[in-house]
Amino acid sequence: EDQVTQSPEALRLQEGESSSLNCSYTVSGLRGLFWYRQDPGKGPEFLFTLYSAGEEKEKERLKATLTKKESFLHITAPKPEDSATYLCAVSGQNFVFGPGTRLSVLP
Amino acid sequence: DGGITQSPKYLFRKEGQNVTLSCEQNLNHDAMYWYRQDPGQGLRLIYYSQIVNDFQKGDIAEGYSVSREKKESFPLTVTSAQKNPTAFYLCASSPRDGAQETQYFGPGTRLLVL
Repeated sequence: EDQVTQSPEALRLQEGESSSLNCSYTVSGLRGLFWYRQDPGKGPEFLFTLYSAGEEKEKERLKATLTKKESFLHITAPKPEDSATYLCAVSGQNFVFGPGTRLSVLP
Repeated sequence: DGGITQSPKYLFRKEGQNVTLSCEQNLNHDAMYWYRQDPGQGLRLIYYSQIVNDFQKGDIAEGYSVSREKKESFPLTVTSAQKNPTAFYLCASSPRDGAQETQYFGPGTRLLVL
């Protein structure tokens, strides 16, 4: 059965304090790994898709990387507007979402 | 301006009542999906549709029904058989129903029970 876990459950950073969020997965035949950002009371907003180990993608202060067992979302010099829940999903036999990491960036 | 719309934003259900959540997309996507989101849990798939007039059950289909009469529309009915309907409901679409296809989400509908 495909599974996704995310850590930490919640993360509090000071503005400018870089860090990483983890997405660990167990899937039979990874076809894609997806990162989304979700603000409270809103639908998830697509960030990145990664397809194979070693792949990296960047967007502003965010950089996503992928290995055979996990993905990291690196946040460089975060700002308060980066505060949100970040969701990871994997596609194998099914599309499975992790529970998310709730990020708070304090000014 | 392409996108996915969901209505209403908030919906209240009385005991024994069926309610329908609307989802419309103008992205010309073939596949559409309905998810349920509960606090502290990942999104769970209710139903999905790959093509007009065809749909499949997801992981938690009991107490829900859908239709896909038009490519643009995929309404979800929460029936009285769903005993714990309070949740945030999200509709998504993708260009095709492929495992590598990115899903794009609407703004969501929050369903509350009176």
